[in-house]
Amino acid sequence: GIQVEQSPPDLILQEGANSTLRCNFSDSVNNLQWFHQNPWGQLINLFYIPSGTKQNGRLSATTVATERYSLLYISSSQTTDSGVYFCAAVSYSGGSNYKLTFGKGTLLTVNP
Amino acid sequence: GAVVSQHPSRVICKSGTSVKIECRSLDFQATTMFWYRQFPKQSLMLMATSNEGSKATYEQGVEKDKFLINHASLTLSTLTVTSAHPEDSSFYICSASRGGRDQPQHFGDGTRLSIL
Repeated sequence: GIQVEQSPPDLILQEGANSTLRCNFSDSVNNLQWFHQNPWGQLINLFYIPSGTKQNGRLSATTVATERYSLLYISSSQTTDSGVYFCAAVSYSGGSNYKLTFGKGTLLTVNP
Repeated sequence: GAVVSQHPSRVICKSGTSVKIECRSLDFQATTMFWYRQFPKQSLMLMATSNEGSKATYEQGVEKDKFLINHASLTLSTLTVTSAHPEDSSFYICSASRGGRDQPQHFGDGTRLSIL
């Protein structure tokens, strides 16, 4: 199956700093999603991005499918950005079904 | 839009009890629902995929008799952990999709299950 690797595993920032999180995947994928899991366990969709670049406020994501990686940029980080960031690769599993394979996540801590 | 509600949010029960977790799509029809399991400080692992009206497809290593999944309507799927034991303690998260290859998954808030 598809392997998804994320880096770095842990990241500590001072409030206001910028950061880049990376996601590499082992095979061609049909799509890629980025999620933020807050300290209460809630998983929030950030981006659904098969290729190209998307922006949403202070966050943006770029996927280069041909080179099998995706990047998540966080600018002007805030303490509320703390949590675990997961990327998940979408692969089709027959018919109209598909599955998400998650990376191990990046634990981000933003200090005031 | 695309709200998924999961209940209960937390369950604590004795070993040997069966526990049912509900996953509802509140404002869309979920042709496909997914169940994940997450151990502390680890990633989400897909347990099974269910399509409305069909039997669930379980991932390798997941016991279908242990984790019963029912997807009886386009807005409701249930996961029943039968005869739960302490090793079943985990964070269980469901997601729902409108179906089709280009539809994202929308996640519930998860259920923290603790078996004493």
